[in-house]
This record gives sequence, structure tokens and C-alpha cells, in this order.
Amino acid sequence: QKEVEQNSGPLSVPEGAIASLNCTYSDRGSQSFFWYRQYSGKSPELIMSIYSNGDKEDGRFTAQLNKASQYVSLLIRDSQPSDSATYLCAVSSASKIIFGSGTRLSIRP
Amino acid sequence: ETGVTQTPRHLVMGMTNKKSLKCEQHLGHNAMYWYKQSAKKPLELMFVYSLEERVENNSVPSRFSPECPNSSHLFLHLHTLQPEDSALYLCASSQDSSVQPQHFGDGTRLSIL
Repeated sequence: QKEVEQNSGPLSVPEGAIASLNCTYSDRGSQSFFWYRQYSGKSPELIMSIYSNGDKEDGRFTAQLNKASQYVSLLIRDSQPSDSATYLCAVSSASKIIFGSGTRLSIRP
Repeated sequence: ETGVTQTPRHLVMGMTNKKSLKCEQHLGHNAMYWYKQSAKKPLELMFVYSLEERVENNSVPSRFSPECPNSSHLFLHLHTLQPEDSALYLCASSQDSSVQPQHFGDGTRLSIL
């Protein structure tokens, strides 16, 4: 089992809709959870971090964490073409960060 | 300059060459990292330095040799690489430890002929 698992996509969402990205992780002792956005040919950019169960909102982005289910998600409201990118889930476990393979998101006009 | 800067942005080298990748961070962070990103694979952590001391080496072949002369600079020395080493090499930094969010440089795209 992969330590951090994401659906590779591509996930196609119409402009203006809600994009939902999911991530599961295997280590129950994980403490910190991050979402990074990576445009093609660019480096990952941190967009959200979450440390406790529940929802955390920042603008159009909402991160959701459920430690009991070992599940973290990212919702993007009012999706824009500029949101088209690969989204990487990262989980800190035993003092190191482990990244998922990423989900490619495509926002169609 | 701000953030994390990597040079060169692109590098093409033969298998017998020796080259070095450079990373510099202007964020006042104490931890620096090297990652390898290959197509359709997760980011692979290679090395971690905290306060200039190597704290992690994830079974990386000896043809990759890191160097951290101070908390702002990190190098990756390359020697006798293989074609499968062609990838994007990313440097990152964080405040104190890997549980903090990491800030990435733009990477070096490495191609081995």
C-alpha cells in the first residue's frame, strides 16, 4: 500500500463548478497535511495546510481532514481555468514529509 | 532576491561528466532538502539537512553527493550518472523541520545523455 495515495486523474471539471480532490494516507501518527499546486514545468507551491480534524477555508479553497478515516481532501469552489494544474497531497509522518503522486485537474470552459 | 533559487535551470550532461546543482534560500530557514521528480512518480526525498547537518539520506546512490556549507546554501554534486537519473531536481527549505510547510525552488531539469 502506498503511504500517500491520490487518484492520478485527469479530473475534468467545468468552469465555475466545485473541484474535489482526495487523498488517503497510511500512517495514523501523521500530524500535518499539506496541499501543493504544481503547474506544468514549475515547482510545487503550497496552497493549504491543515493540522486538526475538520475544515479549513482560505478563499476559494477548503481543506478537510478526517484522521479517523485517514483522509484529507481539497475543495476548490468556483473553479477557474487558472486552477488547471497537478495537486500534490503531502503528509508529515515520523518527521518527514511524504508526497502523493498528484492529481491532474483540468478546468474546462 | 527572495525565496529559493536553483541554478542551473537546465543541465545536459554525459554519463562521465561531473557537475553540481546549486540551491540558495533567502528565507532564513534552517532546513534544506533535495528531491527528485520523475514523470508520473511521487516526489522522492533524497537528502535532508538541518542546521547544516545531514539528517536523512534515503538510500540515494553515491553518484549523488550533497554538500551544505551553511544554512543558506545547498549543493548536489553529480558524478557518473545514469540515463534513469534524468529528472527534475527540486530544492526546498523549511523553518526548522520537515513538519513545517516547505518552500520549493524552480528546480533543475537534468538530462543524461
